[in-house]
Amino acid sequence: DTGVSQDPRHKITKRGQNVTFRCDPISEHNRLYWYRQTLGQGPEFLTYFQNEAQLEKSRLLSDRFSAERPKGSFSTLEIQRTEQGDSAMYLCASSSRPDGRSGNTIYFGEGSWLTVV
Amino acid sequence: GQQVMQIPQYQHVQEGEDFTTYCNSSTTLSNIQWYKQRPGGHPVFLIQLVKSGEVKKQKRLTFQFGEAKKNSSLHITATQTTDVGTYFCAGRPDYNNNDMRFGAGTRLTVKP
Repeated sequence: DTGVSQDPRHKITKRGQNVTFRCDPISEHNRLYWYRQTLGQGPEFLTYFQNEAQLEKSRLLSDRFSAERPKGSFSTLEIQRTEQGDSAMYLCASSSRPDGRSGNTIYFGEGSWLTVV
Repeated sequence: GQQVMQIPQYQHVQEGEDFTTYCNSSTTLSNIQWYKQRPGGHPVFLIQLVKSGEVKKQKRLTFQFGEAKKNSSLHITATQTTDVGTYFCAGRPDYNNNDMRFGAGTRLTVKP
């Protein structure tokens, strides 16, 4: 399988604990995105990387959230001191570099479900 | 910031009926993409539209991009039960080619 893979698929954690999600993008893709999706809503952009550089962060991404992509391949998203409002599906996606204004398809992973109790 | 609005939120149709979902942006888009998400699944890319007034077809699905590049629509002819899912549009702002903003989606249910 050469798609975007995410781990773990499901995580239940107690409020106040830290959690970390991992994403392995499609190997030739240099852009990696993190989105958050809650029930009945579309994916909300959190942040994206081009290679190892984090180029944009949404205002949704509070100080408790940090994302890394140290070698320009896999990425991790860490949430510190989790709150119940963090419960959502965290989607990772990857794409190749846009060509001018045409953009490129974003391929999503299957997501990591987080439940904070 | 850019807003991408999508209507309707829900649509329930009888199998064989047509279905349309509409997407509107507050700002001009450089391109728009459509995704389908099955219940319990992840968004899957359907198509990308780039040019003003562009129309693309995929079998029973017709996608349009408005002349002003601020709105788009997805039309499904003669729905089938396999069309069930949530359809999202995602727009890439003209001023920022680096991320996609998703609408809230239209959830389609089809009664056999």
